[in-house]
Amino acid sequence: QSVLTQPPSASGTPGQRVTISCSGSSSNIGINTVNWYQQLPGTAPKLLIYINDQRPSGVPDRFSGSKSGTSASLAISGLQSEDEADYYCAAWDDSLNGPVFGGGTKLTVL
Amino acid sequence: EVQLVQSGAEVKKPGESLKISCKGSGYSFTSYWIAWVRQMPGKGLEWMGIIFPGDSDTRYSPSFQGQVTISGDKSISTAYLQWSSLKASDTAMYYCARTDYFGSGSYNYWGQGTLVTVSS
Repeated sequence: QSVLTQPPSASGTPGQRVTISCSGSSSNIGINTVNWYQQLPGTAPKLLIYINDQRPSGVPDRFSGSKSGTSASLAISGLQSEDEADYYCAAWDDSLNGPVFGGGTKLTVL
Repeated sequence: EVQLVQSGAEVKKPGESLKISCKGSGYSFTSYWIAWVRQMPGKGLEWMGIIFPGDSDTRYSPSFQGQVTISGDKSISTAYLQWSSLKASDTAMYYCARTDYFGSGSYNYWGQGTLVTVSS
């Protein structure tokens, strides 16, 4: 069981906007920043969002992140077929003294 | 260009030892933390531990403390993950990843992964 809670699946049609939630606690998301990773099938994870809402160079602005209290969200607008992947949230946990991950959300583009 | 290149897939028997590697290039290897992350078949990501190659400062997740050893050789810009006695439950993909900041959970560069299969 993962420390951060994500829905196991999400879906949308091309062009739609979808959001993926990530719920944590006062020892992780509540006091630390949130990061999001995209893992395409058969590949290594890729950093998508860091420090809650920052995009690394090269990540399209269709991807956005937000955080409020002990929860965070990843939003993908203008959904495209190539967005079909697993998405993971992550945050430092002060109790464990290490980063914790969500269980992952499998995004299907219908 | 920053790159982390991991050693190839391994097939081992229970009880055998194993050491896999992660070679960094394109940056100052001694200046950034390198973590190891496990992904069991069909499952999510788990942080195992981390090393700062500059001084070999190493930290472990409580879940992996005593189960694996993380080390590094800065002379060849390489980090290692090793087991002294593998179990079937160690079957997984293992990734190394670099972070700019130890306490962030933000890993901006990843190796391609090393698949470890443990089977009798």
